[in-house]
This record gives sequence, C-alpha cells and structure tokens, in this order.
Amino acid sequence: NAGVMQNPRHLVRRRGQEARLRCSPMKGHSHVYWYRQLPEEGLKFMVYLQKENIIDESGMPKERFSAEFPKEGPSILRIQQVVRGDSAAYFCASSPLALAGELFFGEGSRLTVL
Amino acid sequence: GQQVMQIPQYQHVQEGEDFTTYCNSSTTLSNIQWYKQRPGGHPVFLIQLVKSGEVKKQKRLTFQFGEAKKNSSLHITATQTTDVGTYFCAGPAQGGSEKLVFGKGTKLTVNP
Repeated sequence: NAGVMQNPRHLVRRRGQEARLRCSPMKGHSHVYWYRQLPEEGLKFMVYLQKENIIDESGMPKERFSAEFPKEGPSILRIQQVVRGDSAAYFCASSPLALAGELFFGEGSRLTVL
Repeated sequence: GQQVMQIPQYQHVQEGEDFTTYCNSSTTLSNIQWYKQRPGGHPVFLIQLVKSGEVKKQKRLTFQFGEAKKNSSLHITATQTTDVGTYFCAGPAQGGSEKLVFGKGTKLTVNP
C-alpha cells in the first residue's frame, strides 16, 4: 500500500518562475493537507482540501499561492512568481477522515529559490 | 490566536539519559497528537491522546495528556541514537476547523 507520494522531491526555481508541487494521497484517503516548513521551524498549515473542494485555505498567502485537488489526479500546490522567501519544505498529508486520527505525511518537496 | 508551544526547543543528551519535552496549548484541546521527524525526513505519527489525564506507553516512550487537556508531555527513558530527531505535538485548531496546529518542536540530539 503506497504511502503519500509527493513530487518533485527537490525543485530549484529562479525568482519569478512558477513552482508546481504534486501530492497523491494514500489510497482511500480523500482529505489532503498542505504544510510548509522553514528550516528549524515547525509545520505551518496552508490549506485543507477534499476532492474538488477547498475546505480551509486560511494558512495560504492571498497572492501567488493556489491549491487544487481535482476529481482525477493528484493535489497540486502552485506558487507563482516565486521569491526567495518561498524556499522551504512543503509537506502534503492525507487522512481517510477529517482529523479522525493521524495524518500520513509524504516525504516533502524541498523548494529552493535562487 | 491559538498557540501550541513546546519546550525546550533543543535538547542534547548522552546516550542512556532520559529526555522530556513539554507541550502547552493556549486553548483546551479535544485531543493531542505527537509526531517525530528524523533529520531530513518527514513527520511520522507516534500517538494520539484523547482523555483527560491519559497516559500511554510505547516501549521507552511515555505520553501524557494533562487533566485540563491543555498540556502534554513526551518522556523517553534511556535514550538511544535512534531517538534523534524533532518531536512535534499538534492539536486541532480552535473553532471547529479541521486542521492540526503544530508546535515548533523539540530537536533531540543524542551523543553516543
């Protein structure tokens, strides 16, 4: 049973470019959460999605960031016009039910903005 | 806003010594979860506590949930080098939100 799959694992972008991070939840999980982690910091909630719906995006910056979880395919976190401050590890987590228990995290996508 | 605080931020121990990390929430929690993140790795779920005053053990790890359900602790007996990593506590956000709020974590290093 494959775990949460994230790709790419590492991504380098120049300032002003776009970054697209993908997350395929565990089989049978319909709840996806995106978290951002800066070096030596905790996990900051960004967005919570169910299939085709954004449930809570209170942690997402209002500009340049967007997320989706289409009916078919992975969840995507998109960052437009990246800046150096976007450099971080972005973790996706999934669960079968909303906060019924543990979150299963992917291995993360580490974005470096030059 | 709701805050989940952990202390200490860093802890360095000799192998074989005990280790404890403390977690405090500014609000009452319906449950609390603990995660471990190895260096360069991703968070991995350790346990969830739900009941007031609950104590759970996993081998050398002992987890406790406070009576007021606002604080928790993780104690590791006789640390080993495999215990190295950052330990995070997390609780549901206030107001019925379905997101988890994480503490900043306690980074444990173990000297062999």
